[in-house]
Amino acid sequence: RKEVEQDPGPFNVPEGATVAFNCTYSNSASQSFFWYRQDCRKEPKLLMSVYSSGNEDGRFTAQLNRASQYISLLIRDSKLSDSATYLCVVDNTPLVFGKGTRLSVIA
Amino acid sequence: EPEVTQTPSHQVTQMGQEVILRCVPISNHLYFYWYRQILGQKVEFLVSFYNNEISEKSEIFDDQFSVERPDGSNFTLKIRSTKLEDSAMYFCASNRLNYGYTFGSGTRLTVV
Repeated sequence: RKEVEQDPGPFNVPEGATVAFNCTYSNSASQSFFWYRQDCRKEPKLLMSVYSSGNEDGRFTAQLNRASQYISLLIRDSKLSDSATYLCVVDNTPLVFGKGTRLSVIA
Repeated sequence: EPEVTQTPSHQVTQMGQEVILRCVPISNHLYFYWYRQILGQKVEFLVSFYNNEISEKSEIFDDQFSVERPDGSNFTLKIRSTKLEDSAMYFCASNRLNYGYTFGSGTRLTVV
């Protein structure tokens, strides 16, 4: 199965900082892409889908570059509650997960 | 918001014993999945199930594993003879075609 690679982290940032996560995927035929959030010992929860045109949801912006097979997630004005592991996920039916990047937002 | 329900939340079993992990997918979902996550590692696909049969399985899903949808609502994962390395979080998920996956809260399996 093709792999999904992410920044290993951890990222330790102060509240209010902007932080960016990157991800690359190896299967050029992949069609759907997602960012999931996973809290410690909990299930993955869908954060947002990623579209070629880029998409934004509040403080979160996701970008997809199909030519480079690269996905990004930008979090602006980070909050303590954003502390979690962020999973880059590619839908090759089924979903293929990256190992995740851990984010700690510090007061 | 509809949920995928998994039971038990935590199971401890002796090596060599059989375990059954249970899941109730969202009622109008058609596709069902089992994933596992060994502590500190990535979420890994085990098996997908559609129309009462396995549609795809990974190399992890060997002969010790089986899945079943016995009564139209439950979706179970059976591990026939557990090994120490089967210790992991097991997540059930379901979805409709072209919609996002919903994951259950998981069963933590500890094999001793």
